[in-house]
Order: sequence, then structure tokens, then C-alpha cells
Amino acid sequence: ELKVEQNPLFLSMQEGKNYTIYCNYSTTSDRLYWYRQDPGKSLESLFVLLSNGAVKQEGRLMASLDTKARLSTLHITAAVHDLSATYFCKGGGADGLTFGKGTHLIIQP
Amino acid sequence: KAGVTQTPRYLIKTRGQQVTLSCSPISGHRSVSWYQQTPGQGLQFLFEYFSETQRNKGNFPGRFSGRQFSNSRSEMNVSTLELGDSALYLCASSLVGTGNFYEQYFGPGTRLTVT
Repeated sequence: ELKVEQNPLFLSMQEGKNYTIYCNYSTTSDRLYWYRQDPGKSLESLFVLLSNGAVKQEGRLMASLDTKARLSTLHITAAVHDLSATYFCKGGGADGLTFGKGTHLIIQP
Repeated sequence: KAGVTQTPRYLIKTRGQQVTLSCSPISGHRSVSWYQQTPGQGLQFLFEYFSETQRNKGNFPGRFSGRQFSNSRSEMNVSTLELGDSALYLCASSLVGTGNFYEQYFGPGTRLTVT
């Protein structure tokens, strides 16, 4: 059974700083997804990573995947308040998909 | 294109009752998955339906069931509700099943409160 661990689970940072959220998974995962969830809202898809070495960027967010290390990262560059949200990674394959616990990110002005 | 819709958005039930939640996927999407989100357990996979057949099932008791209709709309049912069933239930649709590399699009969720 695939286990997905995110860390940190809670992160408070200042605007303008850089930081990285880590997502480790226990067994082979065909793909890795990242989502954003705002309070009281549903999940918004950010990135889908399908192969080793995949890197995707959108604005101040960049996601990467290292299948050999079973690790995906979500890097935040020069954080702004609007990026405050909970971020989830999700991995898996044909047998189902497993979410991490989520990283609650607060960006303070 | 309309997104994934879920009804009702909010629901309050008492222990022992049963509840049915509905999900309409994005037009053309044939796969519907259900997730339960709670503060303690996070997001947990319930089941996935594709072309009216259940393809995958998470680790939930038999009180949780679902089905999919020929128009891809899906319902999930929870019988004999327990306090611990209070959660946000999210539905996600994709073009094909999760065994393929297609993105899932999530609905707004149904907030179920069991008293």
C-alpha cells in the first residue's frame, strides 16, 4: 500500500522568502500530483508530474519529481500572501491514489 | 464547460440515518472518484467508478457504497450514519480512470454533519 508523507505539515513564512515542501512516497508511484486547497473550498490542481526528472513551473511555484528517491518537491519563490493555502501531494497508480496529509502554509506580510 | 457539481452542498443528519450524495462530472468525463476529508484523517479515497463499474475501493466499511449511472453521474450512500462520518465529501471526475494519466477535477464538496 502506497504511503505518502508530506513535510512540513505546517509552515509560517514571510513574504519574499523561499521555501520547499517535501513529499515522500513509500513505493513506486506512476505519477505525482500537487493540489492547492483554500479554506472551505475544494481542491485546485496545480501540477501533474509523470516521469523522473519532471519539472513544472507556474508563477512562483515549481514542482519536481525524483522517482529514484521517491521524492517530489514544491518550491515557493519569493512568497506572496495570496499563496497562503493548504497544499497536498498525491501519488499512486492503477490501484488507486493516496494523498499526503497536506501542508498548511501561512505567508505573513 | 461546466465543472463538477455536487449536491447537496450541506447536510445535517442524525446518527443511524442514511444519506445519499450526488455528483455530476464534467461533460465527457467517464470516471468519478469519491474522497472523504476530515481534519484527523485528511483526504481518504473511497471508491472510483468508470463506465458504471466500480474499479477501485478504499479501506472503508460496507456502510459506504456508490454507483454510477449511464450518463456518468454518480451517487454515494452512507447507511447507519456514525458521528465519525462527519466530513467533507469530495467528488472528482476525469476523462478516463485513474489507471491512466488524466487529471482529476474536483467538485466543491458536500459538507455532512452527523449529530
